[in-house]
Amino acid sequence: NAGVTQTPKFQVLKTGQSMTLQCAQDMNHNSMYWYRQDPGMGLRLIYYSASEGTTDKGEVPNGYNVSRLNKREFSLRLESAAPSQTSVYFCASWELQGYEQYFGPGTRLTVT
Amino acid sequence: SQQGEEDPQALSIQEGENATMNCSYKTSINNLQWYRQNSGRGLVHLILIRSNEREKHSGRLRVTLDTSKKSSSLLITASRAADTASYFCATDDGTGRRALTFGSGTRLQVQP
Repeated sequence: NAGVTQTPKFQVLKTGQSMTLQCAQDMNHNSMYWYRQDPGMGLRLIYYSASEGTTDKGEVPNGYNVSRLNKREFSLRLESAAPSQTSVYFCASWELQGYEQYFGPGTRLTVT
Repeated sequence: SQQGEEDPQALSIQEGENATMNCSYKTSINNLQWYRQNSGRGLVHLILIRSNEREKHSGRLRVTLDTSKKSSSLLITASRAADTASYFCATDDGTGRRALTFGSGTRLQVQP
């Protein structure tokens, strides 16, 4: 059981470039989430997907798009990266009957 | 905006001492959870306390919740060097989206 996996682990982009962060979970969870964590701060919700086929905006969705490809996979896309998007990005999943979220190891993104 | 604010922002203690972290939140909640984050890693769930509970124990962890003051505390007893990490409170408002709102965290350093 790998839990929640994320790729890549590190990425450096130039302003204006695009990229997709990948996330997969093998726990058959319905809900999946993307957060960003800026230095010295807690996590802020970007987008979430309550179930396959649905996505909703969180607290800080501007500049991002998401795709819930299937029950396992939830990707986050930056269409035109900006330095303000330099952050660590975490994916998480949540079982329907449970209370805790399970987190991936994170992707450290730097936009120059 | 951050729902939870943690206090202190940083805490340094000696091994064997107790560590207490506090969290305040703003809106009504369904439950409050505490997570730990080791440096460079994802978050790991520690303990959950429901809105109708006042205190909960799990091993060396003790969590209290005061809904009238909208605050919670996490006590780690007999701390170990391995407890060195950042600790975050997270609130679940019980809405259908099941998304957590995280505090800004307390960085705990346990000196051996």
